[in-house]
Amino acid sequence: QKEVEQNSGPLSVPEGAIASLNCTYSDRGSQSFFWYRQYSGKSPELIMSIYSNGDKEDGRFTAQLNKASQYVSLLIRDSQPSDSATYLCALPGAGSYQLTFGKGTKLSVIP
Amino acid sequence: GAVVSQHPSRVICKSGTSVKIECRSLDFQATTMFWYRQFPKQSLMLMATSNEGSKATYEQGVEKDKFLINHASLTLSTLTVTSAHPEDSSFYICSAREVLGTEAFFGQGTRLTVV
Repeated sequence: QKEVEQNSGPLSVPEGAIASLNCTYSDRGSQSFFWYRQYSGKSPELIMSIYSNGDKEDGRFTAQLNKASQYVSLLIRDSQPSDSATYLCALPGAGSYQLTFGKGTKLSVIP
Repeated sequence: GAVVSQHPSRVICKSGTSVKIECRSLDFQATTMFWYRQFPKQSLMLMATSNEGSKATYEQGVEKDKFLINHASLTLSTLTVTSAHPEDSSFYICSAREVLGTEAFFGQGTRLTVV
């Protein structure tokens, strides 16, 4: 069974700092990786996807993938209080379309 | 991104009654939809995979007779919680992927409270 591991946190960073969220996975064959953000009481929303080794940048967000080491990370630059949420790492599960989620890392950005 | 609409967003029901939750893909066709459940401070747990025109596939430990899933069209899947009990109180979320897509989009979620 595919496993996705995340540090549950909470991770606290001051406003304006860089938040670094990490995720490791067990299946070397995984090809697609996703980061979702979930505010309390809300459903997850997709913020980044990455398929190739290296970095992928989108605004203040950068996803980093290292397939050899089986980890994927998410960097949030210039963190804002509105970034405070739980960030979920996900990758395709055993089936062809379902996703396996990590437990999520709770991020708190302190004003 | 694609839009998935889930209804209702919040429901309170009495113990022993049944509740139906709808999940619609608004601007794309989804042959497969997924139903998740999330208890407070826990991660999303896949309950079942809903396949259009065929029986749903349930994850281990999920009672198929209690959580009835119907996926009658390419844009609609329903989850019915039958004979609900307080322990079924949770946040239920559906998601769908486009037929040729790789990203999953989530509905708004349904907060079920059984009293």
